[in-house]
Amino acid sequence: GQNIDQPTEMTATEGAIVQINCTYQTSGFNGLFWYQQHAGEAPTFLSYNVLDGLEEKGRFSSFLSRSKGYSYLLLKELQMKDSASYLCAVTDSGYALNFGKGTSLLVTP
Amino acid sequence: NAGVTQTPKFQVLKTGQSMTLQCAQDMNHEYMSWYRQDPGMGLRLIHYSVGAGITDQGEVPNGYNVSRSTTEDFPLRLLSAAPSQTSVYFCASSYTPDPNTGELFFGEGSRLTVL
Repeated sequence: GQNIDQPTEMTATEGAIVQINCTYQTSGFNGLFWYQQHAGEAPTFLSYNVLDGLEEKGRFSSFLSRSKGYSYLLLKELQMKDSASYLCAVTDSGYALNFGKGTSLLVTP
Repeated sequence: NAGVTQTPKFQVLKTGQSMTLQCAQDMNHEYMSWYRQDPGMGLRLIHYSVGAGITDQGEVPNGYNVSRSTTEDFPLRLLSAAPSQTSVYFCASSYTPDPNTGELFFGEGSRLTVL
């Protein structure tokens, strides 16, 4: 089985930096994904980590430590449109991608 | 390019009724899956398929059936609807049979209410 933990809610200020953490426990590990979901919409892909380290993609970066079962998503230069839920998902040794409950981020002026 | 198309977008059912949520993708993706999303519960995997003729259960399969007769279509059947199945349902697909290596493309969702 899998256990994926994320904070439920976070608030940050426009222009700031925010880090959303994800910890996981899984019997096997084949990769970790981050998705963004705006209210009332479908999730969209942000990043994928399979090796330890930092993956940078514009204002978004994602970090993975497999030995610690830990990942974070870093959002820089926050914009109002970044207000959304951020979903951490991990895969085990099978073909099922399992999601955490998501972190709701509110960006304030 | 339509991507992943789900129908209907909204549906109200009475307890005990059956229905099928349709999902079609035009990207020739091998992998398709169904999730339900409930407040405070996140996305939970119902069933998935790694190719035509192959399906498997996810975390919450009870009360749902699937089939995959073609690469394009992956319908989700509710056999006898219950209020606990009130949820938003998302279909998702990936170009690789192994979702470990490819991003999922989601449909817009189907909002189901069971009275």
